[in-house]
Amino acid sequence: DAMVIQNPRYQVTQFGKPVTLSCSQTLNHNVMYWYQQKSSQAPKLLFHYYDKDFNNEADTPDNFQSRRPNTSFCFLDIRSPGLGDAAMYLCATSGGQLGNSPLHFGNGTRLTVT
Amino acid sequence: DQQVKQNSPSLSVQEGRISILNCDYTNSMFDYFLWYKKYPAEGPTFLISISSIKDKNEDGRFTVFLNKSAKHLSLHIVPSQPGDSAVYFCAASSGTYKYIFGTGTRLKVLA
Repeated sequence: DAMVIQNPRYQVTQFGKPVTLSCSQTLNHNVMYWYQQKSSQAPKLLFHYYDKDFNNEADTPDNFQSRRPNTSFCFLDIRSPGLGDAAMYLCATSGGQLGNSPLHFGNGTRLTVT
Repeated sequence: DQQVKQNSPSLSVQEGRISILNCDYTNSMFDYFLWYKKYPAEGPTFLISISSIKDKNEDGRFTVFLNKSAKHLSLHIVPSQPGDSAVYFCAASSGTYKYIFGTGTRLKVLA
């Protein structure tokens, strides 16, 4: 089945130790997103790619970076994780018309920072 | 500034009855609205959407209503089933690739 796959499902990292989360998709969608969701909060958009064009949200900390080497893969790099970065990280894709088609989400990576 | 609001964090409904989940928004530029369902340890799953040119969209047991003048949308589930127990998120976009989510409402359908 076509889908959005996130690895790993659970990630534990130490305070300040860089970590990379990965996302792949078989939907061939041109837009990929990274959302951060903390408990009982709305998913918060960090950034998105339209093809290779990177779009950063104004309030996304510099500590968060992303790479999209090709259509299928997108990575979230957290350069120096703090305790406040513990959250669920959701990758999503969209392939339809501008802002008029649903997002397809992966199952997320739950990040723990010790 | 929370542009999409779900003011009820939780809702309990008896099996077979109607569930009504509400969502309010503040940005009049939003023109596309979606509802997602999320089970624990899974990503959100798309349920139903509506364009601002419509005021109702139906898909099986799920109906979304949009009241543009009140900047309000609602999701009706009828009849409610125990498998509908999940967190429901509404989301909105304004003709861009950016989607804004609400904080979610936890629905519990009692057998």
